[in-house]
Amino acid sequence: DVKVTQSSRYLVKRTGEKVFLECVQDMDHENMFWYRQDPGLGLRLIYFSYDVKMKEKGDIPEGYSVSREKKERFSLILESASTNQTSMYLCASSIRNRATEAFFGQGTRLTVV
Amino acid sequence: KQEVTQIPAALSVPEGENLVLNCSFTDSAIYNLQWFRQDPGKGLTSLLLIQSSQREQTSGRLNASLDKSSGRSTLYIAASQPGDSATYLCAVDTSGTYKYIFGTGTRLKVLA
Repeated sequence: DVKVTQSSRYLVKRTGEKVFLECVQDMDHENMFWYRQDPGLGLRLIYFSYDVKMKEKGDIPEGYSVSREKKERFSLILESASTNQTSMYLCASSIRNRATEAFFGQGTRLTVV
Repeated sequence: KQEVTQIPAALSVPEGENLVLNCSFTDSAIYNLQWFRQDPGKGLTSLLLIQSSQREQTSGRLNASLDKSSGRSTLYIAASQPGDSATYLCAVDTSGTYKYIFGTGTRLKVLA
């Protein structure tokens, strides 16, 4: 089974902290994605990566950065957490030619206080 | 810019009913369309993937159809069960990008 694993299910952080959300996939997928999900707004793409050390901004990249040093790992970084970044964060991966589906992790519920 | 809409936003049906969930998209130049299920507080589980060259896909009691020209997809659930209660999301992979664009989902409740 394809597995996409996010390092934490729940996180509580303070305003101004630097926050790292980690995602690891075990299927040698080239593409990896970070989304956030908010009620009424659905899933919105923050960043994606189609190869090691490659990254592209999604629709809402402000306040976030990413790192992809190894193919299997894609990290989302909140440089200085703010309360409006309280959300559910979802990581996904897929193969480059997109012949098969995208697979999602279990999500990280981040609360910034 | 691709926009994806799902109607209705919420649906409540008695057990055993057949039901249809709708997904529409504005840009027909898609690579594929995927239907997902999401249980409360959890991640997304892939249900069906339809390539742009396909018209439908089936898995058990689920059948998804795709009409690219009209920008529509439907997810048909046969003989619904309480365990089908979840939010159903569709997402399109628009040609030329690597991005999945999601609808806001249909929250389904199947009553026993």
